[in-house]
Amino acid sequence: DTGVSQDPRHKITKRGQNVTFRCDPISEHNRLYWYRQTLGQGPEFLTYFQNEAQLEKSRLLSDRFSAERPKGSFSTLEIQRTEQGDSAMYLCASSAPREGHEQYFGPGTRLTVT
Amino acid sequence: GQSLEQPSEVTAVEGAIVQINCTYQTSGFYGLSWYQQHDGGAPTFLSYNALDGLEETGRFSSFLSRSDSYGYLLLQELQMKDSASYFCAVIRGGFKTIFGAGTRLFVKA
Repeated sequence: DTGVSQDPRHKITKRGQNVTFRCDPISEHNRLYWYRQTLGQGPEFLTYFQNEAQLEKSRLLSDRFSAERPKGSFSTLEIQRTEQGDSAMYLCASSAPREGHEQYFGPGTRLTVT
Repeated sequence: GQSLEQPSEVTAVEGAIVQINCTYQTSGFYGLSWYQQHDGGAPTFLSYNALDGLEETGRFSSFLSRSDSYGYLLLQELQMKDSASYFCAVIRGGFKTIFGAGTRLFVKA
């Protein structure tokens, strides 16, 4: 257990539905990252935050994806109008100030879109 | 653009030494990290290089050559529990992190 928690751990949804995932980072970590991982691939960068500010969002992401970190603590990732191609493991990670090269990952949320 | 290349699979025997290479192309390069991921688990941090040279952490060492855009992870005294996927990850400005596709290491008895 790294101290990063994610909820839910598993989500099955029907195509077209909206889903929201939550990530609680290690409390003193100011940076929070979201990644998507499919079988046999490395984590794919989605977006990241420094405190409550969203620094960058992957250009690969459609407008159906949005993330927030309203008070610089927990973060949510929402996917609207889910598609079967969104099925993946969604990973959250956090890092301490000036230690972004060492990220602590949560257990992930596995999304299955039917 | 940006890209990272690492071998898809490596097989080695218990007790041996194995090297996993990583070449990268990116702008705004800051450093290279390495992560381990067991099946069904989350990635865990192993090592980081910001400067050229070798960093040693127990049985694991990592090397970086910025001029060659190249790094490697060296695992010594391999154990069965080292069977996992290993990812190199480029750290860019602002600590944006781009992961490679990973190298699956199989350790045989």
